[in-house]
Amino acid sequence: DAGVIQSPRHEVTEMGQEVTLRCKPISGHDYLFWYRQTMMRGLELLIYFNNNVPIDDSGMPEDRFSAKMPNASFSTLKIQPSEPRDSAVYFCASSFGLGQGAGELFFGEGSRLTVL
Amino acid sequence: AQTVTQSQPEMSVQEAETVTLSCTYDTSESDYYLFWYKQPPSRQMILVIRQEAYKQQNATENRFSVNFQKAAKSFSLKISDSQLGDAAMYFCAYRSALANFGNEKLTFGTGTRLTIIP
Repeated sequence: DAGVIQSPRHEVTEMGQEVTLRCKPISGHDYLFWYRQTMMRGLELLIYFNNNVPIDDSGMPEDRFSAKMPNASFSTLKIQPSEPRDSAVYFCASSFGLGQGAGELFFGEGSRLTVL
Repeated sequence: AQTVTQSQPEMSVQEAETVTLSCTYDTSESDYYLFWYKQPPSRQMILVIRQEAYKQQNATENRFSVNFQKAAKSFSLKISDSQLGDAAMYFCAYRSALANFGNEKLTFGTGTRLTIIP
């Protein structure tokens, strides 16, 4: 398996623009997580899904952020409109929920977002 | 809510020497998982080692081992024979073992930046 695949790797945009980050989890994993990493706040969980259903979105900063998982192999994180304070590295990760290996997250390489 | 604390923002060690990174956590649960993740400059988070709370034996992975003290809620990482490639941010993380919705997420500490001195 190729691992968790995220795109784009880097995104530079202007304030007010829509940003869409994409993630393909590892096949067979039933959990998908979106984390945000900044120097000030470290790693923050934004939202996670189980079998494509959002379980906990309490970390989503505000209504400008939305996430979807239309099927087991694809998820998006959208920011509309984007603001400079959204600049961060956004990680997608997937895992098994139960059984051996449960809880071990496999991370993508992250999407570095810069909002000017 | 569970919290994970890494009190050492930065550490450095001479190449080939041993270094220990500290982690403490707070939980009221009895069954859980603990992890150490490594984040090199390439940015991708990589699992280093994992410990199940019900196991008394400390986990080891080659040059990496942990000192798990359940009563003290301490989970330190020891790196032996440090190598230049070990230079990275190291994150300690906690996950509940309860099979209930809402418990599957990992809570991370703030990280320790490890520098290897040649």
